[in-house]
Amino acid sequence: AQSVTQLDSQVPVFEEAPVELRCNYSSSVSVYLFWYVQYPNQGLQLLLKYLSGSTLVKGINGFEAEFNKSQTSFHLRKPSVHISDTAEYFCAAVSGGYNKLIFGAGTRLAVHP
Amino acid sequence: DGGITQSPKYLFRKEGQNVTLSCEQNLNHDAMYWYRQDPGQGLRLIYYSQIVNDFQKGDIAEGYSVSREKKESFPLTVTSAQKNPTAFYLCASSIGQGGTEAFFGQGTRLTVV
Repeated sequence: AQSVTQLDSQVPVFEEAPVELRCNYSSSVSVYLFWYVQYPNQGLQLLLKYLSGSTLVKGINGFEAEFNKSQTSFHLRKPSVHISDTAEYFCAAVSGGYNKLIFGAGTRLAVHP
Repeated sequence: DGGITQSPKYLFRKEGQNVTLSCEQNLNHDAMYWYRQDPGQGLRLIYYSQIVNDFQKGDIAEGYSVSREKKESFPLTVTSAQKNPTAFYLCASSIGQGGTEAFFGQGTRLTVV
């Protein structure tokens, strides 16, 4: 079955520290990958996407992600987090020809002062 | 401004009643989606539609119904057959071609008492 796995359900980190949120996808999923952010009681906002080309993708709010085909991973990174980055982060992948998005279970990032 | 509008933001219903959640988009997108979000389970696909007058079941379609009579609108009905309807519901749309990101509404929180 096609799947997206986020390896950490919660990630606590101090302000200004670096952070990495991990995401692995099943190799049968089409290699279109996305990271979304969700603030409480809000919809999802796109952070970045990988469609093709350079494996290092830069997104909004200082986030970046690296596509690694051999490890089937698409980890999200930020070199220095802010309190305002506290939110839930979802990794997603496109499945098949119907542009059907498959989501991971989410990682709750908690940034502490 | 273009976007996706979900209404209402909060909805309360008595057990056994059907309820319809509204989703409208003015992005001229062909594809539309309904997701259900529960704590710790990420987003699960209920139904999706790639074109007007056509829709497909997602992973958890039982107890739900949809229609797609207009390109702009994709209402979701939560029927009395849905065993545990209390959840946060998110509507999304995309251009419909593989690899394009989905844009999300702000969500509807449904509480059944």
